[in-house]
Amino acid sequence: ILNVEQSPQSLHVQEGDSTNFTCSFPSSNFYALHWYRWETAKSPEALFVMTLNGDEKKKGRISATLNTKEGYSYLYIKGSQPEDSATYLCAFLSGSARQLTFGSGTQLTVLP
Amino acid sequence: GAVVSQHPSWVICKSGTSVKIECRSLDFQATTMFWYRQFPKQSLMLMATSNEGSKATYEQGVEKDKFLINHASLTLSTLTVTSAHPEDSSFYICSASRASGQQETQYFGPGTRLLVL
Repeated sequence: ILNVEQSPQSLHVQEGDSTNFTCSFPSSNFYALHWYRWETAKSPEALFVMTLNGDEKKKGRISATLNTKEGYSYLYIKGSQPEDSATYLCAFLSGSARQLTFGSGTQLTVLP
Repeated sequence: GAVVSQHPSWVICKSGTSVKIECRSLDFQATTMFWYRQFPKQSLMLMATSNEGSKATYEQGVEKDKFLINHASLTLSTLTVTSAHPEDSSFYICSASRASGQQETQYFGPGTRLLVL
């Protein structure tokens, strides 16, 4: 069983604050790390697919980094807005499997 | 692009009823679709991988006779919960796989919440 953990479980920040959270995953047999944003009553939305150690990807105010050797990825949100409120999921894809193993998510609430 | 729909959004049914959930990729063809289940405060747990035109691959502990999966076309997969019982009450969500270059991304439906009385 692959262990994918996210921390913190939930987070409240004020509008305008920057924030970050962590996804840890097995450091062996790495293939890809996916990040999703999941707003209530909507479909999870793919944010990033990260494959290379040291990779950094950016989408607007959201960015993510990847360290495959130590088995972690950070997601950063700069200048949080209320519309960023969602659950952020990471999912690990190993080299030997086609299926994603999900973390339990970080629930972000941005207070106006 | 890459929209996946799921129907119905909500199901409330009596114990013993069979429930069918549909998952459709609306603007792309998906050779592979995935079915997940999520219990409260837990991760999305993969139930099965569904390949068009062939039998689904079930994860350990998931009864294939209980959760029937049919993937008859490149845009439609169905999950039937047969003779549902209260312990089957959960959130069921599908995803469809789409390749972009060497990367493969899963696009999710909005999920189906099942309550078995």
